[in-house]
Amino acid sequence: GAVVSQHPSRVICKSGTSVKIECRSLDFQATTMFWYRQFPKKSLMLMATSNEGSKATYEQGVEKDKFLINHASLTLSTLTVTSAHPEDSSFYICSAMLAGVPHPYNEQFFGPGTRLTVL
Amino acid sequence: GDSVTQMEGPVTLSEEAFLTINCTYTATGYPSLFWYVQYPGEGLQLLLKATKADDKGSNKGFEATYRKETTSFHLEKGSVQVSDSAVYFCALLKGAGSYQLTFGKGTKLSVIP
Repeated sequence: GAVVSQHPSRVICKSGTSVKIECRSLDFQATTMFWYRQFPKKSLMLMATSNEGSKATYEQGVEKDKFLINHASLTLSTLTVTSAHPEDSSFYICSAMLAGVPHPYNEQFFGPGTRLTVL
Repeated sequence: GDSVTQMEGPVTLSEEAFLTINCTYTATGYPSLFWYVQYPGEGLQLLLKATKADDKGSNKGFEATYRKETTSFHLEKGSVQVSDSAVYFCALLKGAGSYQLTFGKGTKLSVIP
């Protein structure tokens, strides 16, 4: 149980185009999902917290107009990289948290990641 | 703010060697502590966790004990295998009301036959 999928696993796009990445919780409902970006040989950087039915909360320094997040249902969140540039090339990872589970038993379940390459 | 410090890698060990990856943290209150593992080209998988002081998390032969007095959560395994080659991340989740994980920079482990 508690499986999170991401689609696509890899994407290559041209500079200036937009790319959408999907994050799905396959067998559970997730009121909260997180989007991370991972640079080579670096840790995960939290980009934004996505709550179902409301606007995402972005971390400082993350452009919300560039990285559009939509969490339209309890099992799906999407990240759209708009007008992508080569510096947006990175590994994007989402995670999902079980709905209704109290701290400290709540846990984030991570997707396998999406490798974005912008040419 | 909260932070997690891990020993810098990469760490290269021979098969069946003993592994220790140090992790210390800075946080107010009583965070939960985690070790995640990332295999090449994959996302993170939870390896083990501990939610209060003196708890020991264990999984797949790996262990870590939540030491509040030293603010540490060192990862250990008595005999590593080639299949343990991966990047290991220490992380903390602050107390009630917070859902944001704070990660260390990761330690790459390579196990050679």
